[in-house]
Order: sequence, then C-alpha cells, then structure tokens
Amino acid sequence: AQRVTQPEKLLSVFKGAPVELKCNYSYSGSPELFWYVQYSRQRLQLLLRHISRESIKGFTADLNKGETSFHLKKPFAQEEDSAMYYCALRGAGSYQLTFGKGTKLSVIP
Amino acid sequence: EPEVTQTPSHQVTQMGQEVILRCVPISNHLYFYWYRQILGQKVEFLVSFYNNEISEKSEIFDDQFSVERPDGSNFTLKIRSTKLEDSAMYFCASRHQGRGNTEAFFGQGTRLTVV
Repeated sequence: AQRVTQPEKLLSVFKGAPVELKCNYSYSGSPELFWYVQYSRQRLQLLLRHISRESIKGFTADLNKGETSFHLKKPFAQEEDSAMYYCALRGAGSYQLTFGKGTKLSVIP
Repeated sequence: EPEVTQTPSHQVTQMGQEVILRCVPISNHLYFYWYRQILGQKVEFLVSFYNNEISEKSEIFDDQFSVERPDGSNFTLKIRSTKLEDSAMYFCASRHQGRGNTEAFFGQGTRLTVV
C-alpha cells in the first residue's frame, strides 16, 4: 500500500526565514512525487514534481529514495507563501494520486 | 489559462436524496478524476475515468457512487442515496494523455453538505 506522511499540521515561520515542509512516503516501487499548494479560497494547484527538478516560486524538492522523503524547501519565506501544502504520490502504472494530510504554512510578517 | 470548472460550488441535500456533481474538464484532457476531502482530513482518491470507462477506483467508491461523461464535455459524479458521512469537498481533476504530461489540474471543488 502507498502512503504519504506529512508530520507537521502547521508550520509558522518568520518572513525571510528558511522553510522546510517535510514529506515521507511509503511505496515499494518507483513513485512520482508532487507538491500541490492551495492558497486561501483557491483550487489545488501543482507547485512542482520531482521529475522536473525545477524551482518554482523559489521552492525546491529533492527526492531522496534512501530516506523515502520529498521535503519542500525555500531559503527565504515570503508572506505570499502562506497556504496549505500537500505532498502527493503516484505509483507506477497507477492513475490516482495519494495525498498527505497537508501542512499549513503561515509566514509571519 | 484553461481551468477545470465545477458546479455547483455548494450543494445542500437531505439524507437519502440523490445528488449529481458536475465538472467540465480541460478540453483536450483525456483522464478524469474525482477526489473528496472530508473536513479536517486528507484529500482521498475516489475514481479515475478514461476512454469512457472507470480505470481505477478506491474502496470509498461503492455502489452508491457512479460517474459518467454524458455529452463529451461534462464529467459527473452521482451519489445515489446520500449519507451524512458523504458531506465533504469534492474535487474534480483532469489530466492530458501522455507520460510527459503527468500533471493533474483540479477544479475549485463542490462542497456537499448532507443534512
């Protein structure tokens, strides 16, 4: 069975401080990992995915297969980063996304 | 930018009633999904739909649920006889075919309240 764990329900950081949102997964094969973000009153939208190895809005995430982690990082938090962040996994050959419970990031001005 | 559109944004229904949630996926997408999120819980997969048939479904998607694409544009989720525990936010998503296009685009969601 596949599972995604986001241990922090809420993370508060000061503006300009580094941010790390943790995500660990359980999956026996080679998964695709994603980070989705949901700003207040907006839809879920893709932030980044591990296969792209890109940086979006200053966020990066590296897939660590040894630690089965896909932590989301940003060196300097901005107020507009305040949102719900969901880590998600898609298994090989599967259609569905398995989501973590989400972490609410609050950036304090 | 094209978007997935869901209607209504909020639906209140009495227990035991049938409800239909509607979604218009992005026009050139071929994979369609329904997810739900009960208040305070994680987003859960319900069903995926491709080539006019269900390709995958979860344990949640029992005989009370059905999906169809009646006219080539709308993608609907029907709950035949709603229960209190069906109260949740229901999200539709669509994805373009192709291994390189693995991003799922989500709608704004329909909040279903069963009373």
